[in-house]
Amino acid sequence: SQQGEEDPQALSIQEGENATMNCSYKTSINNLQWYRQNSGRGLVHLILIRSNEREKHSGRLRVTLDTSKKSSSLLITASRAADTASYFCATEETSGSRLTFGEGTQLTVNP
Amino acid sequence: GAVVSQHPSRVICKSGTSVKIECRSLDFQATTMFWYRQFPKQSLMLMATSNEGSKATYEQGVEKDKFLINHASLTLSTLTVTSAHPEDSSFYICSADSSFRSVRGPQHFGDGTRLSIL
Repeated sequence: SQQGEEDPQALSIQEGENATMNCSYKTSINNLQWYRQNSGRGLVHLILIRSNEREKHSGRLRVTLDTSKKSSSLLITASRAADTASYFCATEETSGSRLTFGEGTQLTVNP
Repeated sequence: GAVVSQHPSRVICKSGTSVKIECRSLDFQATTMFWYRQFPKQSLMLMATSNEGSKATYEQGVEKDKFLINHASLTLSTLTVTSAHPEDSSFYICSADSSFRSVRGPQHFGDGTRLSIL
């Protein structure tokens, strides 16, 4: 079953603004990963944050993880029209290597 | 980086046809591959986990006789949708795990196969 819940389901912003997406989960995890999916394509890995990490950066991306609240956030700074895509969080549970995906956030960045 | 090739990208066929989808890891060995199904505007649903040289592990509710998985080598897994019907129409995506021993890493995804059964 899908344990990840993401909010918002859809987000529309202007170019240059920041976009924040949140993800909550229910079980113990080894790591949490964020992926991006352009329409009709496969998923592209963005960031992996391990359970003992609290924050991670990659370019314009910033991910936080709060294991006490079982939640994570993805911040995209200075957004661009090319950032328009669906963003999914996925958790790798301590019980195995499979990933459980959240419902995703559809981000639209208007030029 | 790790590249996963999925083929074909799109299939349109008549009801009753069996369809084979290939998933290849191009520049790394993948002991484990995963098959997902995705409906429009929804998340990915794991169908099965494919391990090289052994039987696939199917998720609850997924018919193993309907969705045949073969992982014959460290770089190739195939999903065959047998006697496909319109309700099998969906977007199927594979991924490969490049983790080595205890070092966990991300999964690498193919570009997906859009299956349309008429």
